[in-house]
Amino acid sequence: QVQLVESGGGVVQPGRSLRLSCAASGFTFSDYGMHWVRQAPGKGLEWVALISYHGSSKYYADSVKGRFTISRDNSKNTLYLQMNSLRAEDTAVYYCAREVGDVWGQGTTVTVSS
Amino acid sequence: QSVLTQPPSASGTPGQRVIISCSGSRSNIEINYVHWYQQLPGTAPKLLIYRNNQRPSGVPDRFSASKSGTSASLAISGLRSEDEADYYCAAWDDSLSVGLFGGGTKLTVL
Repeated sequence: QVQLVESGGGVVQPGRSLRLSCAASGFTFSDYGMHWVRQAPGKGLEWVALISYHGSSKYYADSVKGRFTISRDNSKNTLYLQMNSLRAEDTAVYYCAREVGDVWGQGTTVTVSS
Repeated sequence: QSVLTQPPSASGTPGQRVIISCSGSRSNIEINYVHWYQQLPGTAPKLLIYRNNQRPSGVPDRFSASKSGTSASLAISGLRSEDEADYYCAAWDDSLSVGLFGGGTKLTVL
């Protein structure tokens, strides 16, 4: 079945780095643009980044631009989010989602705390 | 404060019709598709409506949506207790080259 599974979340100190992964299955991954979306505790959804199906176009929210990098490996059916210089305000559940948001992962939790 | 503006809350009784609005601007709602998501507590969002008014398979026809100019709306008819959830609109913004979510509307079924 069509599925997205995130991994890589955890507790990290401010200023450190973390890489999230999103493994896709059940569909032709290389045909779709992919998003990262996050949700801070008790807050609404926040769009984080988008990568085109071929990986050559990337877009970022102002809140993460210059610190986060979205990438993908179509040979491995996997989406990534490299998060550097993490801040307390990056604490959230991070979801990957397919193009129009018809498929979402279960989310992985990132906590930035000293 | 979100660029897409939704009322923070809405409510209705079982069987009623509820409408949730989403206000934006020319660079997002007016010229791009609007999508709507439902999020139940502790779960990932679920796509309710895509491309302004299209329902994915499996979404009941009680859910419908429309768009006019810089605003969009989601209508839920025949309200049921299981519709109690958070609802979000979303659109791409061509000026900012970013994705946008509304702040979300918490729907309570009284």
